[in-house]
Amino acid sequence: GENVEQHPSTLSVQEGDSAVIKCTYSDSASNYFPWYKQELGKGPQLIIDIRSNVGEKKDQRIAVTLNKTAKHFSLHITETQPEDSAVYFCAASYPGTASKLTFGTGTRLQVTL
Amino acid sequence: EAGVAQSPRYKIIEKRQSVAFWCNPISGHATLYWYQQILGQGPKLLIQFQNNGVVDDSQLPKDRFSAERLKGVDSTLKIQPAKLEDSAVYLCASSIHRGDYGYTFGSGTRLTVV
Repeated sequence: GENVEQHPSTLSVQEGDSAVIKCTYSDSASNYFPWYKQELGKGPQLIIDIRSNVGEKKDQRIAVTLNKTAKHFSLHITETQPEDSAVYFCAASYPGTASKLTFGTGTRLQVTL
Repeated sequence: EAGVAQSPRYKIIEKRQSVAFWCNPISGHATLYWYQQILGQGPKLLIQFQNNGVVDDSQLPKDRFSAERLKGVDSTLKIQPAKLEDSAVYLCASSIHRGDYGYTFGSGTRLTVV
């Protein structure tokens, strides 16, 4: 089955700086890569996703890049704000799994003033 | 649109006791998922329903865990008997149909087994 590794486990940045979180996946057939944000006491919330036929996707301050050859994808957050502080999870899914997601282990992002 | 509702929010039980969690998905969502999230880890799929049928339960510890989705709407997840390692947050999610990645997660039930 699919295996997703995520780094770093914790990340501290100053407000206004950029943050980058990286994930690698094992199954080359995987074709869907979402990123979730989880705040304390809440369920994960989808913030951005990318499919394997696209190399990059951007939504305001958030962007995701995908390198299929290397089997890794990254989340980029620019101009970080205190409200970006949360745990971020990457995930992957491959055809035939009826949208089953395999999650990474999470990155705790702390944005300091 | 109302979100995915879960109850209870918290539960503390002793090992070997039984416990049940309830989930009410978003109206009209045919697919329902139960994920287990152990502290410090990402969510792991336990079971997936399409309407009231099971699509995937390959990672459900069937000797102690059971789940049902009667009438294709609400779902319950049960653990009997509970073990210490079952301490986790149990997340319910729903999507419009199988193959739709637009998951909406509930806030989860935090289970502590002592």
